[in-house]
Order: sequence, then structure tokens, then C-alpha cells
Amino acid sequence: AQSVTQLDSHVSVSEGTPVLLRCNYSSSYSPSLFWYVQHPNKGLQLLLKYTSAATLVKGINGFEAEFKKSETSFHLTKPSAHMSDAAEYFCVVSVGSARQLTFGSGTQLTVLP
Amino acid sequence: GAVVSQHPSWVICKSGTSVKIECRSLDFQATTMFWYRQFPKQSLMLMATSNEGSKATYEQGVEKDKFLINHASLTLSTLTVTSAHPEDSSFYICSAHTTVSSYEQYFGPGTRLTVT
Repeated sequence: AQSVTQLDSHVSVSEGTPVLLRCNYSSSYSPSLFWYVQHPNKGLQLLLKYTSAATLVKGINGFEAEFKKSETSFHLTKPSAHMSDAAEYFCVVSVGSARQLTFGSGTQLTVLP
Repeated sequence: GAVVSQHPSWVICKSGTSVKIECRSLDFQATTMFWYRQFPKQSLMLMATSNEGSKATYEQGVEKDKFLINHASLTLSTLTVTSAHPEDSSFYICSAHTTVSSYEQYFGPGTRLTVT
């Protein structure tokens, strides 16, 4: 079985400050991990993915995440928040092929001016 | 590449009627498509997995007679909500799995269903 826990339901940062969205996973096998972003009433956009290659993964829009097996974590970071980053973020885990994804509960990111 | 579309993007229907939502992979063949449901301010819940040419596999608790899924071709899957009720109002999102990249699903923009 696999599961993912997003540790914060809401995160609020000021524009220009760093962003940290936390995610822990549980998996019996080597997982694939993803971060998706969802803007209001929109579908999901893939930010980045980890699939057993480099543990530090760089994604779009300046986001990156580090896979830490010892901590079973896959936290999402960005050095400097932009107003357009305000959205819902989902951490997602999959084992084997991407035939079935398990979603975290989501983190709502608010960016203050 | 790897674009998934959904139609309609927003639909309002009356209680007791049926509504069909289409999910299309525009530039690739999708052997497997997935249907998710998302309630306001909640995460996505997988409803069913649809393989081209075969019956869909429904998740526990999802009524297969109410949510009819058809995956007639490698580029089209449909979800029909039959005898809709207000509690079926939700955001429905499909995704497609391509054999080219086994690690990723591509998501459609979603369909907002409101049952009055």
C-alpha cells in the first residue's frame, strides 16, 4: 500500500520569500513522486516528478523538490514566491507504472503582497 | 504534446437527468484513462480506471450503474452520470496514461457539474 501526507493544509508567505511545502510518503516499494499544482477551477499541472533518477528534481516555474529516502520526504521548495504561485498543491505517489496515483490532501499556498 | 481535453468544461443539469462528460487525448493514444472526483477544497479521489475496449474498474464505494464509463477508442473515454442528484455536483477530472511515458498521467482541465 502507498500513501502520502501533506503536513500543512495552508501555507502563507510574502512575495519574494521562500516557499516550503512539506510531503511525506509511505510505500512498500520504490515510489515515483510528483507535485502537481491546481489553480481555481482548473485542472492539474505537473510541476515536477521523481522517478528514481537524481534525488534533487528541478521543475517548472523555479520549483524543486528533494527525494530523501531516509526521511521518506519529498518537500517542494522555491527560493522566491511570486503572486502567481498562489494555488493548491498536491503531492502524489505512485508505485511501479503510473497506472494508479495516490493524492495527498493538498496544501493551499497563499502569497501575500 | 500530451494534451488531454474535457468537454464540457461546465454543465448544469436538472435532478433526474443524465449528463455525459467526454475526455479526449488529443495528440497521443491513451491505453488507460482515469476518472477522478474532487469536492470543493478537497483532494482528488479516484473513481475508476478505464482501459480501451474493456470494462472499467471502479473503486470501492463508487456506483458503477450510476457512473457509466465507456472507453471506446484509444483517444476517447466518456463518463455518464445517470439520474443525477444534487449530491453528484462536483468537479470531475480525467487523466490519461500513455505507454510512451510509463511514469506520468496527463490531466484534463476538469468538468464542473452542478445538479439543480
